[in-house]
Amino acid sequence: DADVTQTPRNRITKTGKRIMLECSQTKGHDRMYWYRQDPGLGLRLIYYSFDVKDINKGEISDGYSVSRQAQAKFSLSLESAIPNQTALYFCATSDLTGGGYEQYFGPGTRLTVT
Amino acid sequence: GENVEQHPSTLSVQEGDSAVIKCTYSDSASNYFPWYKQELGKRPQLIIDIRSNVGEKKDQRIAVTLNKTAKHFSLHITETQPEDSAVYFCAASKGGANSKLTFGKGITLSVRP
Repeated sequence: DADVTQTPRNRITKTGKRIMLECSQTKGHDRMYWYRQDPGLGLRLIYYSFDVKDINKGEISDGYSVSRQAQAKFSLSLESAIPNQTALYFCATSDLTGGGYEQYFGPGTRLTVT
Repeated sequence: GENVEQHPSTLSVQEGDSAVIKCTYSDSASNYFPWYKQELGKRPQLIIDIRSNVGEKKDQRIAVTLNKTAKHFSLHITETQPEDSAVYFCAASKGGANSKLTFGKGITLSVRP
């Protein structure tokens, strides 16, 4: 089945370390997104990309960067991790073909910064 | 930008009863309103959505209603079952080529057996 995958699924890292979270999709979608989920705060958009050459900041992009290596791959980097970046991170994809706006989420990466 | 609010943050109902979850949005240009369900330890998944040219949409036990004048929309679940227990997120978007979703903070629904 066409899907959205994320690696790693769990990661514990120390303050100041650089870390990369990876997202891959086999849905053939052009649009990809990175969200973080914190208890009581819902899903907040970090970065999004509408195609390989397009990168846009979301509402909470400070401290993060992204790379869209190919249509199917969208990576999120924390250049110098800090404890308040401890959260559950989701990648999502969507496609406007046919007028649909549904976003398909990956399984999530649980990141802990100590 | 768009601001989406959900109230209450938690809701507990008896199995078989109905549940109603409400959301408000701030941007009158928003025209697409999805609801996502996230079961414990799982990814969010779309369960129903509505566009601004429609006032109500139903899919079996779930329905969504939209009041554009008041800028609020609601998720209705009838005959609740334990498997309806989850976190529900509403969202809003202006739609179109450059659309992105703004999510509410989520509500935790508990269905008591």
